[in-house]
Amino acid sequence: GQQVMQIPQYQHVQEGEDFTTYCNSSTTLSNIQWYKQRPGGHPVFLIQLVKSGEVKKQKRLTFQFGEAKKNSSLHITATQTTDVGTYFCAVFKKTSYDKVIFGPGTSLSVIP
Amino acid sequence: EAQVTQNPRYLITVTGKKLTVTCSQNMNHEYMSWYRQDPGLGLRQIYYSMNVEVTDKGDVPEGYKVSRKEKRNFPLILESPSPNQTSLYFCASSFWGAEQYFGPGTRLTVT
Repeated sequence: GQQVMQIPQYQHVQEGEDFTTYCNSSTTLSNIQWYKQRPGGHPVFLIQLVKSGEVKKQKRLTFQFGEAKKNSSLHITATQTTDVGTYFCAVFKKTSYDKVIFGPGTSLSVIP
Repeated sequence: EAQVTQNPRYLITVTGKKLTVTCSQNMNHEYMSWYRQDPGLGLRQIYYSMNVEVTDKGDVPEGYKVSRKEKRNFPLILESPSPNQTSLYFCASSFWGAEQYFGPGTRLTVT
């Protein structure tokens, strides 16, 4: 079946360093979503990517969708303590009306 | 305020005692979903519903039931809970293919 992998599983960075998490799928994707979950909280939507090679920015966060639509990345520039949390990618199995598969997440710790 | 609500937020129960976790959304979303979250396993979809009276299995449906009689509500039913269903449960809703809004979560312990 379809698999969604995320690397790394954990990342510890010094405040001010950059951070990148990668999401890889075994199949071609229609779109991909990214969520952030703060410790003790619920997942919160960050962004959705649809087009091959798409790049979107939100302040210090840069999201990219691979050319083959099988992978995506989230890059944070100059991390802050407010970036702490787990970052998940999520994909629809087939269509937008279908089953959703979440990656296992990347847990980010920021050392002040 | 647009939101997804879940009740109860915390529940401790015993094996075999039927329970229901309610979920309600006020955004007129067609798509609703239940997830369980376990350490190291991320979020796994239990059931989802594309609209009223339309439900389908996610990746881990065993031991759970759902119903969608009204657009706003999507309860999760555990007919005979077992200890391996101890987990953190999230309900979510969205328009088709769009961002999902998550409820605050229900922490369930089955002894």
